[in-house]
Amino acid sequence: GNSVTQMEGPVTLSEEAFLTINCTYTATGYPSLFWYVQYPGEGLQLLLKATKADDKGSNKGFEATYRKETTSFHLEKGSVQVSDSAVYFCAYAGNNRKLIWGLGTSLAVNP
Amino acid sequence: NAGVMQNPRHLVRRRGQEARLRCSPMKGHSHVYWYRQLPEEGLKFMVYLQKENIIDESGMPKERFSAEFPKEGPSILRIQQVVRGDSAAYFCASSHDSASNQPQHFGDGTRLSIL
Repeated sequence: GNSVTQMEGPVTLSEEAFLTINCTYTATGYPSLFWYVQYPGEGLQLLLKATKADDKGSNKGFEATYRKETTSFHLEKGSVQVSDSAVYFCAYAGNNRKLIWGLGTSLAVNP
Repeated sequence: NAGVMQNPRHLVRRRGQEARLRCSPMKGHSHVYWYRQLPEEGLKFMVYLQKENIIDESGMPKERFSAEFPKEGPSILRIQQVVRGDSAAYFCASSHDSASNQPQHFGDGTRLSIL
């Protein structure tokens, strides 16, 4: 069935380390793909998106590339900051545009 | 604030009471989505509404839960006779149109606690 699989957390990194959070999806067709971020006690904010194969979404130093051949949308950042500590959710837009979500990956960045 | 507004931020109810969660979409948005985030779990779609119409309610529990989005006023998610298992964060999102590449904009959520 339709699903999103994210790497399990928590992920703990030191400041300025390289970040990768893996995300793969199972869906029919070529859905739009999204990364959302949830800071402690807050709602979800759109981080970046990609709407077709080979598109690269980017924002705030984060990037993710829509890989059709591997059905993946891995999130990367070259140098994380303490302020990046949050939970990151990978999602795609399924039928009737409802978002299908991964379970989220918690990131903690230590100074 | 032109974002999605949800209230209350926190809601406490005793078992058997009713919970009403409100969501005002972003200005100009006529599509509203409700999601539920259970503790230690990801988000699950509940219902998709467009002004006065329920488009997709495939994620709504069959009993006790209902949603509406009237012509005037906010969208309401209503839970009757709440039980402990209803404790969760409920998020509302809105979008301008139904194109799949348009992102959904989220509110800060309502955290429902059942005593």
